[in-house]
Amino acid sequence: QKEVEQNSGPLSVPEGAIASLNCTYSDRGSQSFFWYRQYSGKSPELIMFIYSNGDKEDGRFTAQLNKASQYVSLLIRDSQPSDSATYLCAVMLRSGAGSYQLTFGKGTKLSVIP
Amino acid sequence: DAMVIQNPRYQVTQFGKPVTLSCSQTLNHNVMYWYQQKSSQAPKLLFHYYDKDFNNEADTPDNFQSRRPNTSFCFLDIRSPGLGDAAMYLCATSPFTSTGVGQDTQYFGPGTRLTVL
Repeated sequence: QKEVEQNSGPLSVPEGAIASLNCTYSDRGSQSFFWYRQYSGKSPELIMFIYSNGDKEDGRFTAQLNKASQYVSLLIRDSQPSDSATYLCAVMLRSGAGSYQLTFGKGTKLSVIP
Repeated sequence: DAMVIQNPRYQVTQFGKPVTLSCSQTLNHNVMYWYQQKSSQAPKLLFHYYDKDFNNEADTPDNFQSRRPNTSFCFLDIRSPGLGDAAMYLCATSPFTSTGVGQDTQYFGPGTRLTVL
């Protein structure tokens, strides 16, 4: 069974600090990795995706992927109170056109303290 | 702006009374998905359409059906809602027009929160 594991939190960080969110996955064939932000009562909002080992930066966000260790992480620099939300890690296993599965973790709740 | 739209945003129905949720997209994406998300849980895929090809998840109850009459619209029908079907229902789309980077990225609509009385 394909699994995506995240620490449910809550993870509390002071404003301006770096928030580090981690995710592990079980299927070595996974090919695409996504981070979504979800505010309470709202739908998931894409933050970024990553496909290759290493780091990918977008503004204050950096995604890190290590396929050998089967983990993906998200760093949020200069955390702001508006970053307080649940962060969902999602992993895609693609096996041909029209045949694929996106598996979500349960999410990590982040709280940025002013 | 190109987007994924869901209607209604809030739906209240009675136990056993059929309900239809709708999703439309202006992104011209090939793939449309329906997810169910309950409080503090991960979104759970119910089914998806790759163009007109329907793909049902093995554990999706028969009580849930879907229609995609054209590229832009997709509907979720719940034939006899039970109390356990109260949840946020999320529609998402992804391009999949090629195998390039980002083609499998899913973009979500605002969701429909279903309450069953």
